[in-house]
Amino acid sequence: KAGVTQTPRYLIKTRGQQVTLSCSPISGHRSVSWYQQTPGQGLQFLFEYFSETQRNKGNFPGRFSGRQFSNSRSEMNVSTLELGDSALYLCASSLGLPDTQYFGPGTRLTVL
Amino acid sequence: GIQVEQSPPDLILQEGANSTLRCNFSDSVNNLQWFHQNPWGQLINLFYIPSGTKQNGRLSATTVATERYSLLYISSSQTTDSGVYFCAVDSSGTYKYIFGTGTRLKVLA
Repeated sequence: KAGVTQTPRYLIKTRGQQVTLSCSPISGHRSVSWYQQTPGQGLQFLFEYFSETQRNKGNFPGRFSGRQFSNSRSEMNVSTLELGDSALYLCASSLGLPDTQYFGPGTRLTVL
Repeated sequence: GIQVEQSPPDLILQEGANSTLRCNFSDSVNNLQWFHQNPWGQLINLFYIPSGTKQNGRLSATTVATERYSLLYISSSQTTDSGVYFCAVDSSGTYKYIFGTGTRLKVLA
């Protein structure tokens, strides 16, 4: 089975722009979670989707949003980028039961 | 919210040595996972272990949920074991995992 894929792998944006990141889960997995990793804050939960529904959301401003499509692929969007949004964005998929999560390689976003 | 503490923060080992990494959490948990993040940033799941003991090759893990801690054992360490080890816990059963700050392991040849 192919693993979790994320595109793009690297991205450079300027303050005020918006960005969309994509995540394709492992085939058959219906849960997709997103995380932000920074040196200062570590790994922080953004949101989790299951069958196109957001089931949980972390403590991030409304500029961070996401969605999941019927094929379980997920996108996250960050609007009005700030310097502090520079981070490694990771997505993870699982079957949806309390179970093992499998992570993608991440998208490294740099905001200038 | 739940607090997750990992110790030690840093660990340097000679190849072949054994080690124990600890994860303490401040509340009861529904789910717990251990991950290894390699030097390229890839997070690899090691164990899903909300309770009990599991083993996978040179690695094993034990979670004592009633005492709010989990241990990851690495035996006969290899240089490829280098990286950061995270535990992540979900206390609400909603898949909102909270990650610890990690243990950075360096194995010397």
